[in-house]
Amino acid sequence: RKEVEQDPGPFNVPEGATVAFNCTYSNSASQSFFWYRQDCRKEPKLLMSVYSSGNEDGRFTAQLNRASQYISLLIRDSKLSDSATYLCVVNANTGNQFYFGTGTSLTVIP
Amino acid sequence: SQTIHQWPATLVQPVGSPLSLECTVEGTSNPNLYWYRQAAGRGLQLLFYSVGIGQISSEVPQNLSASRPQDRQFILSSKKLLLSDSGFYLCAWSIAGVSEQYFGPGTRLTVT
Repeated sequence: RKEVEQDPGPFNVPEGATVAFNCTYSNSASQSFFWYRQDCRKEPKLLMSVYSSGNEDGRFTAQLNRASQYISLLIRDSKLSDSATYLCVVNANTGNQFYFGTGTSLTVIP
Repeated sequence: SQTIHQWPATLVQPVGSPLSLECTVEGTSNPNLYWYRQAAGRGLQLLFYSVGIGQISSEVPQNLSASRPQDRQFILSSKKLLLSDSGFYLCAWSIAGVSEQYFGPGTRLTVT
């Protein structure tokens, strides 16, 4: 079983739509959780960390469900510039190993 | 502020040739350093990580090796490249084992 699993998509949504991605992880002892954004042929960039209480940054909301071992990312009022691949990242209990999902592709359509 | 550099940006090498990719970090001390590879259309695969000078942990057995000769320098090497070594190589750093990682711009390697 993979450490981190994501629906690869693609998700094609119109501008202004709300879209949600989920990601599941296998190690119940995982300590830290993140969402990264990766544009085509570029490096991943940190979008936001995911805290136990959930956190929001503008149009983006991340949530963690430890009981069900998944994290989610909600994007409201989608913009064309949100088109990218979104990577779910989980830090294992060893502290030094980060596990990446294969990413979910989002295209926002005019 | 911290910055991370990688070079070269792109590289085309023949099968059997050697490889050396360099990564340096500025603005922080004693970072954890990581090498990843991303094959076309696939996720990131952790290759090596280092928690200090001379300390290298390998995640995947392969014909690649890594070295950390200085605190903020991480080098990825190969004596003989294979076609399967083609991919997007990313260096990353983190302040501590559980904090977020920050990536360099990457090296796109094509082995022909």
